[in-house]
Amino acid sequence: EIVMTQSPDFLAVSLGERATINCRSSQSVLYTLSNKNFLTWFQQKPGQPPKKIIYWASDRESGVPDRFSGSGSGTDFTLTISNLQAEDVAVYYCQQYYSSPYTFGQGTKLEIK
Amino acid sequence: QLQLQESGPRQVKPSGTLSLTCTVSGDSISSSTYHWGWVRQPPGKGLEWIASIDFSGNTYNNPSLQSRVTISVDTVKNRFSLNLDYVTAADTALYFCVREHYGDFSWWGRGTLVIVSS
Repeated sequence: EIVMTQSPDFLAVSLGERATINCRSSQSVLYTLSNKNFLTWFQQKPGQPPKKIIYWASDRESGVPDRFSGSGSGTDFTLTISNLQAEDVAVYYCQQYYSSPYTFGQGTKLEIK
Repeated sequence: QLQLQESGPRQVKPSGTLSLTCTVSGDSISSSTYHWGWVRQPPGKGLEWIASIDFSGNTYNNPSLQSRVTISVDTVKNRFSLNLDYVTAADTALYFCVREHYGDFSWWGRGTLVIVSS
């Protein structure tokens, strides 16, 4: 099983500033034949299901503001939220789908400072 | 538009069986290339994939729960179901049904909270 570890667990950032969330996998999630990382970022707001915001580690879902960006490859990944807005308050999860069982990070709770 | 709707008892007794159904609208399970599965989230905690199934009935399970999980599909009623046996308080969670493709969870139901309690 691939273990996903996020840091930090909790993050408080001022409005308009940048938030950075890290995710590390216990083994590579890069599929070399396609050069794609099987890594997704989800955003979950209270009372809602998770919403996919980034796939293939760096591709934004349609409709997701461009202040959200993903980067990284192999085992180390980052979700960056630039120009933080109040509506970005949520818990963020990374998830790998390189191999079964599909696993999630423990989540990072993002709040406004 | 695709909709996934979970249904089932909100409370289950310890050592009993948790049974949930997900009714799909806006897509046909029998013609879909997607898999259909379940993800759970204990209150205030993270996400755990439970199992998935395709229209042919091929199942994909998380080994951590495999011995207690049965997942089935009803292509006539366009729905799929989860049974989790011998539940304990640790199985109290928000249960989401999902449409996925080999772990790419593209669509989620709103979730249903199941409490294990006597």
